[in-house]
Amino acid sequence: GDSVTQMEGPVTLSEEAFLTINCTYTATGYPSLFWYVQYPGEGLQLLLKATKADDKGSNKGFEATYRKETTSFHLEKGSVQVSDSAVYFCALSSSGGGADGLTFGKGTHLIIQP
Amino acid sequence: ETGVTQTPRHLVMGMTNKKSLKCEQHLGHNAMYWYKQSAKKPLELMFVYNFKEQTENNSVPSRFSPECPNSSHLFLHLHTLQPEDSALYLCASSLRASVNEQFFGPGTRLTVL
Repeated sequence: GDSVTQMEGPVTLSEEAFLTINCTYTATGYPSLFWYVQYPGEGLQLLLKATKADDKGSNKGFEATYRKETTSFHLEKGSVQVSDSAVYFCALSSSGGGADGLTFGKGTHLIIQP
Repeated sequence: ETGVTQTPRHLVMGMTNKKSLKCEQHLGHNAMYWYKQSAKKPLELMFVYNFKEQTENNSVPSRFSPECPNSSHLFLHLHTLQPEDSALYLCASSLRASVNEQFFGPGTRLTVL
């Protein structure tokens, strides 16, 4: 079945550091890929997405590129802020459509220190 | 009110209690989902409803019983739960079956004593 693997952390960085959170996936067909973010006490919010190979999703300074050859969707940000502290989830949706729900990784806890 | 709302936000119940979780979406979506979020585990998809019809039950024990009376409301009825059922229960919705982007509610933090 489909699966998503991501570094669990916690990942601790200083403010303005460069961020990479790795995500790799296993899926049949051509899934859509997502990064969700969960701030303390809140639900998940969609951060960015990519629906086909070589697409780059971007939002709020975060970027991720859909790499079919390496089955990866790594999240990057050039300069993190304290407000980026949260749990980040990589997820995929099978090419069969949204009714099947999303398959999530375990989440990466990111801590940004001032 | 906008987005996806869930009530209650926190719930403590005994193993013999019966309670219900409620989810409401104000986005005009037609698909709704229940997920379970436990510590150190990936989010687990529990149930999917598409146009009020249940399209997926991800091997969830019968002590969890979903109900979707219309496209805007989704319930999760709980009875005779176990302590290991303590978790954050998240509701989500999407526009329709062919649209993968899901919008999540804030969750209900459930503690089973």
